[in-house]
Amino acid sequence: EVQLVESGGGLVQPGGSLKLSCAASGFIFSSYSMNWVRQAPGKGLEWLSYISGDSVSIYYADSVKGRFTMSRDNAKNSVSLQINSLRAEDTAVYYCARGFLHVLWAYFDQWGQGTLVTVSS
Amino acid sequence: EIVLTQSPGTLSLSPGERATLSCRASHNINNNYLGWYQQKPGQAPRLLIYGASNRASGIPDRFSGSGSGTDFTLTISRLEPGDFAVYYCQQYGSAIFTFGPGTKVDIK
Repeated sequence: EVQLVESGGGLVQPGGSLKLSCAASGFIFSSYSMNWVRQAPGKGLEWLSYISGDSVSIYYADSVKGRFTMSRDNAKNSVSLQINSLRAEDTAVYYCARGFLHVLWAYFDQWGQGTLVTVSS
Repeated sequence: EIVLTQSPGTLSLSPGERATLSCRASHNINNNYLGWYQQKPGQAPRLLIYGASNRASGIPDRFSGSGSGTDFTLTISRLEPGDFAVYYCQQYGSAIFTFGPGTKVDIK
């Protein structure tokens, strides 16, 4: 059974940093791209970042480029998201999602349950 | 960046009725790299449709997707109680993935 479990969320002060992790199991992790998606309270889904299975390709949404860094460790079956210079508008549930290859790109076929990040003083 | 627009914002229907949700893209989506996701309160999104018209594993056949280019539709043929949720379309055909704002299907 495919499982994605996020961790690392919590209450952080504005300007602070946080590292989110997503532990994967039940599939050959290195064969799949991974993504981070967030959802602010009462709002829609926002894609944040993508990393290919071999970490060669990493993409970010313009809204987080320069502040967010995505990485993966295939030996540990995990993916991470480093978030710096946190702002109130970063308050959201952060999901990791597996990318399932469809021709050249990948749709998000499996999702974790999310981890809540709250930015507040 | 491809911007997705979904309509209507809210759809109020009764169980057993047909739901038709629209997703329109600002630019052509190559190879119909368009997915639909369902999200219920407090839960993670669930993939329903990929490639505009392919049902994901385990998705009942009352869910169907259609369309190409810039105009896409998700149809739920007969609404069941568990189908009342928010539905998002997403394009995944470029290095910038985008979601639509969502359509909420609620009980009339």
